[in-house]
Amino acid sequence: DQQVKQNSPSLSVQEGRISILNCDYTNSMFDYFLWYKKYPAEGPTFLISISSIKDKNEDGRFTVFLNKSAKHLSLHIVPSQPGDSAVYFCAASAKSGANSKLTFGKGITLSVRP
Amino acid sequence: DSGVTQTPKHLITATGQRVTLRCSPRSGDLSVYWYQQSLDQGLQFLIQYYNGEERAKGNILERFSAQQFPDLHSELNLSSLELGDSALYFCASSVVAGNTIYFGEGSWLTVV
Repeated sequence: DQQVKQNSPSLSVQEGRISILNCDYTNSMFDYFLWYKKYPAEGPTFLISISSIKDKNEDGRFTVFLNKSAKHLSLHIVPSQPGDSAVYFCAASAKSGANSKLTFGKGITLSVRP
Repeated sequence: DSGVTQTPKHLITATGQRVTLRCSPRSGDLSVYWYQQSLDQGLQFLIQYYNGEERAKGNILERFSAQQFPDLHSELNLSSLELGDSALYFCASSVVAGNTIYFGEGSWLTVV
């Protein structure tokens, strides 16, 4: 049972354009969402997060949007740069104290063409 | 550098053998997590410890076990290894559970 889904395995965009990475979840108890970026042979690095009390969080070129009614979140990267080419993982958790954990999607490979 | 240290970085071993992967969390982090990433798979949660106690279990095989020591470092033990256990094993840590977690560089395990 995959509770966090990233249905598109890959995305290719032109440098300077917007990249939109989508993520859906099924568990209505999730209330904290994160995006991680991963380069080959490296560990995932935290990018941006959003709490369920918000619908938008922005950090420089990265913006995460949350639509709770649709159980959908998206990561927008504007403008996209070649260095953004990586695998992006969406993750979610239900804050239930010390037993909480992050559930990850399978990731989406972003390629930014020069 | 996330502050999470994993050793060894690479490991090649034969089927049927046993290996131990080690993780030192970020200074001050009480929660340690282990994830497995196989080819074409996302990050599969294995197990979580909080201040020395097991708190959550995911898709961890019975052949695998883990522990977190009083100094908060953690070990993941993989035994009776099979070819399918070849994967990248990540350790991550956080101050509290359910919060942002920070990953180590991973341990590449190849079973031949």
